[in-house]
Amino acid sequence: AQSVSQHNHHVILSEAASLELGCNYSYGGTVNLFWYVQYPGQHLQLLLKYFSGDPLVKGIKGFEAEFIKSKFSFNLRKPSVQWSDTAEYFCAVTSAAGRRALTFGSGTRLQVQP
Amino acid sequence: NAGVTQTPKFQVLKTGQSMTLQCAQDMNHEYMSWYRQDPGMGLRLIHYSVGAGITDQGEVPNGYNVSRSTTEDFPLRLLSAAPSQTSVYFCASTPRVSGANVLTFGAGSRLTVL
Repeated sequence: AQSVSQHNHHVILSEAASLELGCNYSYGGTVNLFWYVQYPGQHLQLLLKYFSGDPLVKGIKGFEAEFIKSKFSFNLRKPSVQWSDTAEYFCAVTSAAGRRALTFGSGTRLQVQP
Repeated sequence: NAGVTQTPKFQVLKTGQSMTLQCAQDMNHEYMSWYRQDPGMGLRLIHYSVGAGITDQGEVPNGYNVSRSTTEDFPLRLLSAAPSQTSVYFCASTPRVSGANVLTFGAGSRLTVL
């Protein structure tokens, strides 16, 4: 069975600081990887995704993530966070031949202080 | 194009009551799924459907029923609500197109069971 671990449960940063959120998954086959963001009071929105090809993927709002197959990792990064990035971030995985349903990590709450 | 529509947005139930959370999508997506979101646990898959007439269980199916009589609708039924079912519920859909594992989420339904 697939599983996803997000090691940072709550991160507090000042504006302009750099961000890296960790995500590790366990699955032996080919995977599709995602980062979703949930702003306060809103539903989940796709931030970025990896299906194949270049392991460095760029998403919306200046976010990027790097897929490192040997480490089973898909860490999310942003060079300079803004107050508006305050949200909860979820890493998710599904097998490439999967059932179109995701396995989510427990989420990381990011608080950016002005 | 409304996307994924969930009703109601909020609901309070007493233990033992039954209710149905509605989910409808207008994108002609074959795949639909229900998740529950609980603090510190991310989103967990309850049930999913790969097409009209076909449903299957996810990680946490106990206490919930689903049906898929049409492509558009995927209601989630609680037959006898329990306090452990207090949660925020999200419905999601995605097309069958190969590799398109990107889910579109509804706005969520917050359920409290007293």
